Amino acid sequence: EPEVTQTPSHQVTQMGQEVILRCVPISNHLYFYWYRQILGQKVEFLVSFYNNEISEKSEIFDDQFSVERPDGSNFTLKIRSTKLEDSAMYFCASRMDIWPLHFGNGTRLTVT
Amino acid sequence: AQTVTQSQPEMSVQEAETVTLSCTYDTSESDYYLFWYKQPPSRQMILVIRQEAYKQQNATENRFSVNFQKAAKSFSLKISDSQLGDAAMYFCAYSHHRGANSKLTFGKGITLSVRP
Repeated sequence: EPEVTQTPSHQVTQMGQEVILRCVPISNHLYFYWYRQILGQKVEFLVSFYNNEISEKSEIFDDQFSVERPDGSNFTLKIRSTKLEDSAMYFCASRMDIWPLHFGNGTRLTVT
Repeated sequence: AQTVTQSQPEMSVQEAETVTLSCTYDTSESDYYLFWYKQPPSRQMILVIRQEAYKQQNATENRFSVNFQKAAKSFSLKISDSQLGDAAMYFCAYSHHRGANSKLTFGKGITLSVRP
């Protein structure tokens, strides 16, 4: 069965550094998402992406965040200047026109 | 805005017994989807079961079934014959029917432990 693939599985970065989280969604999917989960807490929506543009973004998704689908297969989340509170599990997800949402295994981001 | 409420933070069940996890939601939409996702210690998000709001029949997937009460906006998950591998965090989630602006909204989750 096709999967959403996320790399790396764990990323450690220093505060203030830029980080790029990478995702390869399922190939025929149309809608792409990033979610965040701070350890032990709820899964929070960050941003959705369709037709090469952002469909919706949450309050969390401020100017420090950006998304890109540079080549038709990858879907990236960039955090420009990381803060300690950005430490979390980041999930990429994708779907076709219908539900459900298929999640990747996540990237654990640790900001020191 | 849509909200999903899981009021029980933790539950415990004896192996082989049945447990029900509660979820309520709030929406003004008439057409939507509801889901239960399982998150084991590996932190993957695994779809357990889904329910379309227009379907009156409750969804079932092997040992997992739901009790969907649309008027009461309630969506509980029943796990029968609980197994040790069922121990995980379980999230209830809601989405609009379709469309580019549709997203999944999660509850806070419930930690289920299974006693041998």
